[in-house]
Amino acid sequence: AQKVTQAQTEISVVEKEDVTLDCVYETRDTTYYLFWYKQPPSGELVFLIRRNSFDEQNEISGRYSWNFQKSTSSFNFTITASQVVDSAVYFCALSEYNQGGKLIFGQGTELSVKP
Amino acid sequence: DVKVTQSSRYLVKRTGEKVFLECVQDMDHENMFWYRQDPGLGLRLIYFSYDVKMKEKGDIPEGYSVSREKKERFSLILESASTNQTSMYLCASSRGTVSSYEQYFGPGTRLTVT
Repeated sequence: AQKVTQAQTEISVVEKEDVTLDCVYETRDTTYYLFWYKQPPSGELVFLIRRNSFDEQNEISGRYSWNFQKSTSSFNFTITASQVVDSAVYFCALSEYNQGGKLIFGQGTELSVKP
Repeated sequence: DVKVTQSSRYLVKRTGEKVFLECVQDMDHENMFWYRQDPGLGLRLIYFSYDVKMKEKGDIPEGYSVSREKKERFSLILESASTNQTSMYLCASSRGTVSSYEQYFGPGTRLTVT
């Protein structure tokens, strides 16, 4: 069965701290896709990244980086030098091949960055 | 830019009313989705559609129906609203291939059923 677990419900950090959001997934498929979305207080989910199961290279985009490890079924997200604007709920999601693009979401992690 | 719009940001309805939530996307996407978001539960898929007039049940379809008469529009219908359907409803769209591409979300409709 497919499942995504984000064990951290809430995280609070002070500005400029680094923070890592954990994501663990379960799937029996060998071809699948992993995503991260950001939901700021305005409510609209914003796409951050998509990885397929055959690409385990870590990715960096500015202050954001992602660590994909198939051996531990994890796809963790790190924000370096956090800023107040990073405060949001972050969702990890999983989609399996040929499933019509359906996403299975984790419960979300609410990140609060204080000045 | 992909744009997904939803007909209302906030909606208040009475128990037993028929409720229509409308979603329109402007990127010619094949796939469209309806989710509800509740605290501690993340997003749960209600229905999705991969083509006009096609629909598939998601994880929690009970109490809901959908309509997709045109490619750009996907409607969620609550036949007889109940208080346990008070929630945030999110619509999304994506490209339609066997691979899974990112979904683009609308701003959401916060529905309160009293």
